[in-house]
Amino acid sequence: QVQLVQSGAEVKKPGASVKVSCKASGYTFTSYGISWVRQAPGQGLEWMGWISAYNGNTNYAQKLQGRVTMTTDTSTSTAYMELRSLRSDDTAVYYCARQGSCSGGSCFKFDYWGQGTLVTVSS
Amino acid sequence: QSVLTQPPSASGTPGQRVTISCSGSSSNIGSNTVNWYQQLPGTAPKLLIYSNNQRPSGVPDRFSGSKSGTSASLAISGLQSEDEADYYCAAWDDSLKGVFGGGTKLTVL
Repeated sequence: QVQLVQSGAEVKKPGASVKVSCKASGYTFTSYGISWVRQAPGQGLEWMGWISAYNGNTNYAQKLQGRVTMTTDTSTSTAYMELRSLRSDDTAVYYCARQGSCSGGSCFKFDYWGQGTLVTVSS
Repeated sequence: QSVLTQPPSASGTPGQRVTISCSGSSSNIGSNTVNWYQQLPGTAPKLLIYSNNQRPSGVPDRFSGSKSGTSASLAISGLQSEDEADYYCAAWDDSLKGVFGGGTKLTVL
């Protein structure tokens, strides 16, 4: 069965960086992409960006361009999301989600989700 | 303020039919497909409807989706207590990229 297992909760100070991992199993990793979605406490969902596990192509949300980097390690079927220059409003649960091999249009569909990783930014 | 507009709340009694709307524009719903997600308290979202009106395997046929122009709707018939959750619509925006609605909290009275 398809599973996405994320790394544990993090507490970071403002200005620091965080790197969250998402280990995939139960499917051919390189046949799909991974999107990252975050949810601030009590708030809605926000799409952060997508990475192709096939060739590493990325497509980031404009709001996070320059602060976010998404990568994959095909040898371990793991996706990573690094967010830099953290601010208090980056405090959120971060989800990885399986997406198709293209980033937009009808590919913008998440059929499996990780369990979420709470990132707290506080001084 | 979300790009896709949903009512913040909806409610119904067991057995009733409820609908949740999602309003967008020509650059998102008007030109791309809509998906719906259900988020039970304390859990990750789950894909409920994709490509406007398709149900993934395992989703009961009580859930249905539709789209017309720049708006979409999620309908839940035969409402059950376990349907109490937050519901989000989502679509690709040709300018803004991936966008979600603000979410609708469904209460089963």
